[in-house]
Amino acid sequence: RKEVEQDPGPFNVPEGATVAFNCTYSNSASQSFFWYRQDCRKEPKLLMSVYSSGNEDGRFTAQLNRASQYISLLIRDSKLSDSATYLCVVTPYTGGFKTIFGAGTRLFVKA
Amino acid sequence: NAGVTQTPKFRILKIGQSMTLQCAQDMNHNYMYWYRQDPGMGLKLIYYSVGAGITDKGEVPNGYNVSRSTTEDFPLRLELAAPSQTSVYFCASSYLTSGGETQYFGPGTRLLVL
Repeated sequence: RKEVEQDPGPFNVPEGATVAFNCTYSNSASQSFFWYRQDCRKEPKLLMSVYSSGNEDGRFTAQLNRASQYISLLIRDSKLSDSATYLCVVTPYTGGFKTIFGAGTRLFVKA
Repeated sequence: NAGVTQTPKFRILKIGQSMTLQCAQDMNHNYMYWYRQDPGMGLKLIYYSVGAGITDKGEVPNGYNVSRSTTEDFPLRLELAAPSQTSVYFCASSYLTSGGETQYFGPGTRLLVL
C-alpha cells in the first residue's frame, strides 16, 4: 500500500461546479497535512494546510479525518484557473525528509 | 527574496555526459531536497540535506551525487547520463515549525538525455 494515495483523475468539471478530492495515508502517526497545487510544467506550490478542525480559504475547504486516515479538498464554484494537479502532502511533525507527496489528482475545468 | 533558484532551465545531454544542476535558496532554510518528476508521475526524492555538510539518500539516488558546503547551495551531480534520467528536476527548501513543514520549490530543470 502506498503511503499517500490519491485518485489520479482526471476530473473534468464545468465552470461553477463543486468538486472534491480525497487522499488516504497509511502512517497513523502522521502529524501535518497539506494540499499543494501544481500547474502544467510548473513547480508545486502550497495551496493550504489541513487542520483537524477543518479550514477554509475562499472557495477552498480542507478537512482531515484522523480516524479514517484521509484528507479532503473541496473546491466550490470552480474557475477555469483552478485547472491544475492537486497534490496531497503528509509529513510527520519532526522529520522534514519524511514528507510524502501524493502523485496528484488532475483537474480540468471547462467553460 | 528570490526564493529557490535553479539553473539551467533546460539541458540536452548525450549518453555518458556529466553535468551539475545548480540550486540556491536565500531563505536561510536548513532543509533542502532534490526531486525528479517523470511525465504524468509524482515527485520522487533523490537526495536531501538537513544542513550544511549533511546529506542523505532518498528514494531514487542511483546515478546522482550531491554536496552541501553552504546553507544556500545544494548542487546535484549526474556523472554518466542515461536516457532513464530524462526528467524534470525540482529543488526545494523548507523549515520546520510547530505546524509542520512547508516546502518551497524552484522552477525546475528539464533534462533530456539522448
